[in-house]
Amino acid sequence: DTAVSQTPKYLVTQMGNDKSIKCEQNLGHDTMYWYKQDSKKFLKIMFSYNNKELIINETVPNRFSPKSPDKAHLNLHINSLELGDSAVYFCASSSRGLRQETQYFGPGTRLLVL
Amino acid sequence: DAKTTQPNSMESNEEEPVHLPCNHSTISGTDYIHWYRQLPSQGPEYVIHGLTSNVNNRMASLAIAEDRKSSTLILHRATLRDAAVYYCILSRGSQGNLIFGKGTKLSVKP
Repeated sequence: DTAVSQTPKYLVTQMGNDKSIKCEQNLGHDTMYWYKQDSKKFLKIMFSYNNKELIINETVPNRFSPKSPDKAHLNLHINSLELGDSAVYFCASSSRGLRQETQYFGPGTRLLVL
Repeated sequence: DAKTTQPNSMESNEEEPVHLPCNHSTISGTDYIHWYRQLPSQGPEYVIHGLTSNVNNRMASLAIAEDRKSSTLILHRATLRDAAVYYCILSRGSQGNLIFGKGTKLSVKP
């Protein structure tokens, strides 16, 4: 069983389109995250949700809107896609979002904007 | 943000021990030291973490300096599957968000 799963694995789309990436965790965790890994391989946190509530919102354009329908799911919707949005997006989860906890990462969604 | 410094790359021979260093001179008393690794085309994977004392688990050992300004991840017998980018991360604050640096790319030679 996959602990943290993401769909789709690959996403190729045109500039200006709107797309969503889905994330699900079956670990019973309260906290979920979205990270972005750019072409230079830097991993940067975007959002953190705890029990469906937004906890962290780093400096991310408001074209990115996370949505958590329940604590097992954290989806990422991106409006008006731009070339610079091309990256790998990773979802992660941890038990309660505490600094001593392990984060479990999904396999990533590779987004290419043409 | 808490900053860590790691060598860009290291090489090891298969079945030999590997010591991956990390400097974190600005660490504060409540920061945890985490190590994650990222294999090619995969998501980051937890390796080990600690606060003050050395830690061992089935994957690796973590040696933390007495002043906590540096730490070393020890892989006791490197295998080809250990080739990855290893990230040393300080986690602080109540939210547990991880601030990744550039990491060390470990190559393992047969």
